[in-house]
Amino acid sequence: TQLLEQSPQFLSIQEGENLTVYCNSSSVFSSLQWYRQEPGEGPVLLVTVVTGGEVKKLKRLTFQFGDARKDSSLHITAAQPGDTGLYLCAGAPGTALIFGKGTTLSVSS
Amino acid sequence: SAVISQKPSRDICQRGTSLTIQCQVDSQVTMMFWYRQQPGQSLTLIATANQGSEATYESGFVIDKFPISRPNLTFSTLTVSNMSPEDSSIYLCSVETGRTNEQFFGPGTRLTVL
Repeated sequence: TQLLEQSPQFLSIQEGENLTVYCNSSSVFSSLQWYRQEPGEGPVLLVTVVTGGEVKKLKRLTFQFGDARKDSSLHITAAQPGDTGLYLCAGAPGTALIFGKGTTLSVSS
Repeated sequence: SAVISQKPSRDICQRGTSLTIQCQVDSQVTMMFWYRQQPGQSLTLIATANQGSEATYESGFVIDKFPISRPNLTFSTLTVSNMSPEDSSIYLCSVETGRTNEQFFGPGTRLTVL
């Protein structure tokens, strides 16, 4: 079974702090996606990384794909209360996506 | 991207009854999926809804419990049959646009079974 291990599971921080979420697997993925989900809504795609070593930036969010394409990280700089939500990594070893268990982020003002 | 709507947005049902959830997409898509998200959990794929043929179910999910229809390229339904409280979850449909497995999700249907 190919699994995506996501850590930490919960994160509670103050506004202005930095944080990193990790997504690891023993398997190689052709691509990895990061999604953010707010309560009562479906997940929203943030980014897709496809090339080993790739780094993508989305405002204060930085996404990195490992050189071996087995892991990825999401770094948020100067977190804001609006960043609060469930962050999910997902990969497709075949045709269907598998999801990590998610990281619940809470940012307090 | 694609705009996806789901009906109903939420429902409270009695044990033993069935509920059909509808998923409508604003454009034609080949791949549509149904997921379940239990409270505080991540997403688990139920099945891939194939247009013109039977859905492809993941391990642990069967057609008798979760029949799926896909009459055309913009619409699908998922029925949760003979419900029990363990079926209380958020049910999400998604579509894949063909670019590197990216999926776009509907807002979800929150189901509570009493």
